[in-house]
Amino acid sequence: EPEVTQTPSHQVTQMGQEVILRCVPISNHLYFYWYRQILGQKVEFLVSFYNNEISEKSEIFDDQFSVERPDGSNFTLKIRSTKLEDSAMYFCASIVTLGRTEAFFGQGTRLTVV
Amino acid sequence: GQQLNQSPQSMFIQEGEDVSMNCTSSSIFNTWLWYKQEPGEGPVLLIALYKAGELTSNGRLTAQFGITRKDSFLNISASIPSDVGIYFCAGRLETSGSRLTFGEGTQLTVNP
Repeated sequence: EPEVTQTPSHQVTQMGQEVILRCVPISNHLYFYWYRQILGQKVEFLVSFYNNEISEKSEIFDDQFSVERPDGSNFTLKIRSTKLEDSAMYFCASIVTLGRTEAFFGQGTRLTVV
Repeated sequence: GQQLNQSPQSMFIQEGEDVSMNCTSSSIFNTWLWYKQEPGEGPVLLIALYKAGELTSNGRLTAQFGITRKDSFLNISASIPSDVGIYFCAGRLETSGSRLTFGEGTQLTVNP
């Protein structure tokens, strides 16, 4: 069964460092997302991406964040200068089309900023 | 941001019991999704609902899209120990794009 894959599963980084989280969405899906989940809290939307550009972003997704689809398969989230409060699980998700918005999520990357 | 109120926050039940949880909002949703999340894992889709009044089953799970489009419930019948996890509702708002708004989650514990 097709699935969304994310790497790494766990990343520890120093405050102020840049991190790149990677995702391979399901191959025939057209819309890609990043969500985050702070420990013990609900899942929060960060950004959606379609046709090589951001289609929607939340207030959390500030100038420190960026997304990219550098090739035909990978979808990345970059945090330029990490802060302690960026520590969370980051989930990539994808959907086929807007008509069927059941989103399939990856296993997540646990980001720990120290 | 928009709020989804999910209840109950947690449930402790005996194996074999039925479970019901729900999400409500003051906003109108076009889509309701129910996910299950286990520790250290991503949310796994259980059921997707697209029309007001729609009632959909997936094995022992049944979910409904409320007539007002502001609520949804999930029932689990004859619970088993592997049902343990956190259940989240998620919805796509009528006024937003394709982003999902998640509820706070219901932590389900099933005692054998």
